[in-house]
Amino acid sequence: DAGVTQSPTHLIKTRGQQVTLRCSPKSGHDTVSWYQQALGQGPQFIFQYYEEEERQRGNFPDRFSGHQFPNYSSELNVNALLLGDSALYLCASSLIPREGTEAFFGQGTRLTVV
Amino acid sequence: AQSVTQLGSHVSVSEGALVLLRCNYSSSVPPYLFWYVQYPNQGLQLLLKYTSAATLVKGINGFEAEFKKSETSFHLTKPSAHMSDAAEYFCAVKPRGGNNRLAFGKGNQVVVIP
Repeated sequence: DAGVTQSPTHLIKTRGQQVTLRCSPKSGHDTVSWYQQALGQGPQFIFQYYEEEERQRGNFPDRFSGHQFPNYSSELNVNALLLGDSALYLCASSLIPREGTEAFFGQGTRLTVV
Repeated sequence: AQSVTQLGSHVSVSEGALVLLRCNYSSSVPPYLFWYVQYPNQGLQLLLKYTSAATLVKGINGFEAEFKKSETSFHLTKPSAHMSDAAEYFCAVKPRGGNNRLAFGKGNQVVVIP
């Protein structure tokens, strides 16, 4: 059973560019959440997708947007990249109807903005 | 918004000694509580979780945690540290009632001294 997979694993972008990160959830999961983990910090919630709609959003600007596809996979898009966007971006999948269930995390995408 | 406090960013422990990582949450209603471990250049792996059953929760790799409502705590312990326990550990909370986002503490970097 494949767990949560993310691509690419590493990415280097220039300030002002746009980036798209991809995530495939664990088999059987229907909900995808994205987190940003800056160096030396805990992950911060960006947003969550369920039934192809953004259901919850953390304190991130509109430059951060996402999408969920019918097969439950998801994309995170960041526009007008800033140096401060450099971080590990983690995707997590879960089953939303079951309260209290844990989220399963992918390996993450390491984004470096130069 | 619920929050989690983890004190002491770096924790050094001798091999074979007790591992104790502290986690306190701020919430009037006990949330769901989780401990995750992150090895270098990897995503997050669930160690254990508290939903509402037993207050002493056993997890993987010999770790356990005890939920204490009176102290709003969920401290993580392991009786005997192993070199392979060197990693970063995050406590996280998720409120009851449908909000499916995780709020993480800042993490504890555990160093095991031979």
